[in-house]
Amino acid sequence: GENVEQHPSTLSVQEGDSAVIKCTYSDSASNYFPWYKQELGKRPQLIIDIRSNVGEKKDQRIAVTLNKTAKHFSLHITETQPEDSAVYFCAAVAGAAGNKLTFGGGTRVLVKP
Amino acid sequence: NAGVTQTPKFQVLKTGQSMTLQCAQDMNHEYMSWYRQDPGMGLRLIHYSVGAGITDQGEVPNGYNVSRSTTEDFPLRLLSAAPSQTSVYFCASSKLLQGEAFFGQGTRLTVV
Repeated sequence: GENVEQHPSTLSVQEGDSAVIKCTYSDSASNYFPWYKQELGKRPQLIIDIRSNVGEKKDQRIAVTLNKTAKHFSLHITETQPEDSAVYFCAAVAGAAGNKLTFGGGTRVLVKP
Repeated sequence: NAGVTQTPKFQVLKTGQSMTLQCAQDMNHEYMSWYRQDPGMGLRLIHYSVGAGITDQGEVPNGYNVSRSTTEDFPLRLLSAAPSQTSVYFCASSKLLQGEAFFGQGTRLTVV
């Protein structure tokens, strides 16, 4: 089945700096890659997603890039703010496996004021 | 619009007890799934359903059963609780698999 690895597991940045989280996936047939943000004690919520026919997508301060050849995708957060502190999860939908959404292990991001 | 509703929010069980975690959605979503979240291990898929009457196993199905008799409801049953099942459980639903998944508020389960 699909395997999604996420790095780093923790990330500490100064307010205003950029944060980058990287994920790799194993199933070359995967075609949908969402990112979820989970604040402490809350449920995960979608922040951005990208499909396999697109190389990059931006939404204000966040962007996601996808390299299908290398089977990796990344989340970029620019001008980080304290409210960006949370756990971020990448995920992939394995086309060959059909109907499963597989998550990475998560990255705890701490933005220091 | 309630979205995805999970009950209960907290639960303590004794080893060997059984219980059902409830999940209901009012968005007419076909896809529903159950995840468990353990520290440092992300969200692991337990069971999922692509529509009423159809369920399948995820990554960690042992010790859990599901059924999907209606589009709205997707209960998760713990057959004989074990301390290893202590975790936070999330139910999620989505209109399309390749689309936003909406999560319930989670159930924190402790098995003693």
